[in-house]
Amino acid sequence: EVQLLESGGGLVQPGESLRLSCAASGFTFSNYAMSWVRQAPGKGLEWVSTISGGGGTTHYADSVKGRFTISRDNSKNTLYLQMNSLRADDTAVYYCAKSAMVRGANFDNWGQGTLVTVSS
Amino acid sequence: DIQMTQSPSSLSASVGDRVTITCRASQGISNYLAWFQQKPGKAPKSLIYAASSLQSGVPSNFSGSGSGTDFTLTISSLQPEDFATYYCQQYNSYPITFGQGTRLEIK
Repeated sequence: EVQLLESGGGLVQPGESLRLSCAASGFTFSNYAMSWVRQAPGKGLEWVSTISGGGGTTHYADSVKGRFTISRDNSKNTLYLQMNSLRADDTAVYYCAKSAMVRGANFDNWGQGTLVTVSS
Repeated sequence: DIQMTQSPSSLSASVGDRVTITCRASQGISNYLAWFQQKPGKAPKSLIYAASSLQSGVPSNFSGSGSGTDFTLTISSLQPEDFATYYCQQYNSYPITFGQGTRLEIK
């Protein structure tokens, strides 16, 4: 059974940093692309970033480019999102999502999410 | 960027009804279209990929169709557990984009 467990969310002040983690199990982690998708309170889904199975290819939404960095440690079956220069509009539940292939963003499984609140 | 537009934004229906939700892409995306279901306070659940293929474990009363720019999600006979918000998503090209969601409510 695929399991994705996010952690690292919390309350931070504007301009601060946070690193999210997503621990994966139940599948061969390195064979699949992984992504972060967020959802602001009461809003719809917003794609944030995707990383290929090997980690060599990354994509970012314009809204986070230059501030967020996606990475993965295939030896630890863990996906990360380093978030710097956080702003109030980054407040959201952040989900990690597994893709069905080594590249691309065809999501087949989702984690339960971790809440990030950016507020002074 | 490819814009995804869902209609309607909200829908009221009864158990047993047949409902259809439409998703339109601002440019052609072949069949690189997925549908997700989300219940309040829960993570999204993947329903359909490649426009018409059901994810494993998804009931057969869900179906998807379309190609190019126009897509539909159909629930053939609504069950109580189907009342939720539904999102379409294109994965043809980056940036990945979602529709704004369709809230399906009990009439």
